[in-house]
Amino acid sequence: GAGVSQTPSNKVTEKGKYVELRCDPISGHTALYWYRQSLGQGPEFLIYFQGTGAADDSGLPNDRFFAVRPEGSVSTLKIQRTERGDSAVYLCASSSLDRGTNSPLHFGNGTRLTVT
Amino acid sequence: GESVGLHLPTLSVQEGDNSIINCAYSNSASDYFIWYKQESGKGPQFIIDIRSNMDKRQGQRVTVLLNKTVKHLSLQIAATQPGDSAVYFCAENYSGAGSYQLTFGKGTKLSVIP
Repeated sequence: GAGVSQTPSNKVTEKGKYVELRCDPISGHTALYWYRQSLGQGPEFLIYFQGTGAADDSGLPNDRFFAVRPEGSVSTLKIQRTERGDSAVYLCASSSLDRGTNSPLHFGNGTRLTVT
Repeated sequence: GESVGLHLPTLSVQEGDNSIINCAYSNSASDYFIWYKQESGKGPQFIIDIRSNMDKRQGQRVTVLLNKTVKHLSLQIAATQPGDSAVYFCAENYSGAGSYQLTFGKGTKLSVIP
């Protein structure tokens, strides 16, 4: 079956530009997560959706970062006024989370964002 | 492409030997733990998980051990194969915080010598 799909796989943008990164989760998964991974580091949490709502956005670094999931499936991570420090791999994951029970996160292959 | 394993602790193992990868986790209240495998240019791939009410869980060729007293997690891979070469991350979660985000460790690079 299809896994988590992320597009584009690579994105190069100039400092100050706006970018959108897309995530298509595994069908039927209600929980969706965005993580960011810098070179040589483990993934760092950004935001988590349960259905359409952001249940935890405590990992977003500042107000230039925003994410939506309007229909409870596809999600878009939006970054305004990009900075060179935003360069990283942005990972999306989904899980079949039942309330009160953890389940494994299944990750996509990420979008490598490079800000020049 | 760039290596996800750059500057990480490295474990080199002969093909066919057993591997043990260790992880010290940070939150004594964490109640769910996962091991992920990440190959270069790919996202983390789920290997095995364990809840805090267990101290051992076995999968296919893999075993996870949890020692809550010293906040230590280990992943044992039996009969290591070249395809096991990757970076391995442990991750923890405290579900009582009302969020299901995972906190990842720094990772260990496993290199299998043919």
